[in-house]
Amino acid sequence: DGGITQSPKYLFRKEGQNVTLSCEQNLNHDAMYWYRQDPGQGLRLIYYSQIVNDFQKGDIAEGYSVSREKKESFPLTVTSAQKNPTAFYLCASSKSGYRETQYFGPGTRLLVL
Amino acid sequence: AQSVSQHNHHVILSEAASLELGCNYSYGGTVNLFWYVQYPGQHLQLLLKYFSGDPLVKGIKGFEAEFIKSKFSFNLRKPSVQWSDTAEYFCAALSGNTGKLIFGQGTTLQVKP
Repeated sequence: DGGITQSPKYLFRKEGQNVTLSCEQNLNHDAMYWYRQDPGQGLRLIYYSQIVNDFQKGDIAEGYSVSREKKESFPLTVTSAQKNPTAFYLCASSKSGYRETQYFGPGTRLLVL
Repeated sequence: AQSVSQHNHHVILSEAASLELGCNYSYGGTVNLFWYVQYPGQHLQLLLKYFSGDPLVKGIKGFEAEFIKSKFSFNLRKPSVQWSDTAEYFCAALSGNTGKLIFGQGTTLQVKP
């Protein structure tokens, strides 16, 4: 059964703590993306990767980091430098190329304690 | 910078009413346009997309959208809504050579039975 999985569904972060959100896809897609969703603001792009071992900053990359060591996986780390991390985080993937449809995972809701 | 704007933030309709959600984008070049839907507690799902060809595109669940290049618009329509259409709707544009998807702010649709 193909798709995109994200874990955990809910994540709690303490002040000063780094947390990592998982995103895995078995669609054989080359490109992967991370978005942040806040009420009334739509989705904003954090980081994206068109190919393994390469990634680019999106519009709101500050306070976040990513890695792309495997085609199937694109984990996102929310660092302590991100001052307002409470949000819904969505991972997406697409085939290679710049004009492909993106498909989304179920999301992870991050809450700060 | 490219942007997408959705005119209606919150729409309330009765069942069987007609729906039109506005979407405008600001980009003069070739643009690919999408409507995504997020039902309560579910994944962001693709409703329909426009890449080229017939400017009137049909999507799932009876939705359609019309691309009007002269107006930079891609409005979503449905002739008769159902209670199950209650969801948040996002218009998005994919442009240039980056693969970046730009989202509008989203429209929450509430359909009263």
